[in-house]
Amino acid sequence: SQQGEEDPQALSIQEGENATMNCSYKTSINNLQWYRQNSGRGLVHLILIRSNEREKHSGRLRVTLDTSKKSSSLLITASRAADTASYFCATDGTGGGADGLTFGKGTHLIIQP
Amino acid sequence: SQTIHQWPATLVQPVGSPLSLECTVEGTSNPNLYWYRQAAGRGLQLLFYSVGIGQISSEVPQNLSASRPQDRQFILSSKKLLLSDSGFYLCAWSRGRSGYTFGSGTRLTVV
Repeated sequence: SQQGEEDPQALSIQEGENATMNCSYKTSINNLQWYRQNSGRGLVHLILIRSNEREKHSGRLRVTLDTSKKSSSLLITASRAADTASYFCATDGTGGGADGLTFGKGTHLIIQP
Repeated sequence: SQTIHQWPATLVQPVGSPLSLECTVEGTSNPNLYWYRQAAGRGLQLLFYSVGIGQISSEVPQNLSASRPQDRQFILSSKKLLLSDSGFYLCAWSRGRSGYTFGSGTRLTVV
């Protein structure tokens, strides 16, 4: 079953505005990751935040994690047309081993020029 | 640097035909390997993962199987494709609890 659920399912904003996407999950995690997928392509890893971290930055990306609420947000500042893509959160559970990430259904982001 | 190759990029196969998708990783050893499937408008579903040669774990019962004949080779197979096997198949690798690196995907259409 899906672990992460992104919100909103789709988002359309003007170039230069900030885009915020949210993710909720259900079980304990070791870390949470965000990925970007351009149409018909593979996923690209953006950022990983560990369960003991609350905020992380990478360029124009800012990720927050609230383990008490089992939620995370991805903020893209000063959006560009090239940011148009689907964004997925994925959780790495606390179970041992390399048993795979659990992905949400994604948020489709459209940046209008 | 590490790279991951997945082919073919697109594939159209008739119902009942066999399937073989191949994924290879370069520049690393003993990676964890994964096969995911993405249905249209949906998230990714983990199909198989492998932590070593010959070690395959299946997440969901289905018409597919996976094999890892070499350390950096992961193969997704089917003996007889179903219409419901259509989708976008993604191979990925990771080391430990880190980010995954995905291949470029294979768009499979079963007709």
